[in-house]
Amino acid sequence: QSALTQPPSASGSPGQSVTISCTGTSSDVGSYNYVSWYQQHPGKAPKLMIYEVSERPSGVPDRFSGSKSGNTASLTVSGLQAEDEADYYCSSYAGSLYVFGTGTKVTVL
Amino acid sequence: QVQLQESGPGLVKPSGTLSLTCDVSGGSSNWWSWVRQPPGKGLEWIAEIHHSGSANYNPSLKSRVTMSIDKSRNQFSLKLNSVTAADTAVYYCARHRITGATLGDYWGQGTLVTVSS
Repeated sequence: QSALTQPPSASGSPGQSVTISCTGTSSDVGSYNYVSWYQQHPGKAPKLMIYEVSERPSGVPDRFSGSKSGNTASLTVSGLQAEDEADYYCSSYAGSLYVFGTGTKVTVL
Repeated sequence: QVQLQESGPGLVKPSGTLSLTCDVSGGSSNWWSWVRQPPGKGLEWIAEIHHSGSANYNPSLKSRVTMSIDKSRNQFSLKLNSVTAADTAVYYCARHRITGATLGDYWGQGTLVTVSS
């Protein structure tokens, strides 16, 4: 099972939006609506930001949104803030196993 | 509040066995996972275990990994044998959401395991 493909980096100015893609296959992203997104600040554990493609856990700002089309999922961060600068990983259930994305470093300019 | 805490040796010799335990407090779930992250690299799912003891493993690690659970002690464990330097990583334990198939609604802080002689 190969890692899901994410762009290595993305950036935007404060207040702008940034969208990160996560491309898998018909065996993972394309087959299940169990795509999650995690935010990870340096030296910290990942934090769940989106689950089941577009659901937000309690406490996650509504600036974070998710979607999916075919084998590709996306995370959009609207109204970028300085604290959004972090690494972001997607993950997909793939039938009795999970696969993570390659990770995207988001920089707030 | 759900809390997870990893524990185990921070240094393991090559060809040895990496053993970690995750202590859970404040909440339960049906599934629990181990995830690792080599220094400067991305996340890799290792394995998951159901509260019944049934486990699933990453195919790339399956031959070397064993996961177990002790419900009486509210903890689950990971054993990875025949380790090499490539197994050096921060190891995280994580809880799955109670419904669906989402790992990591709660995470431990992570523990660095270095494989070196």
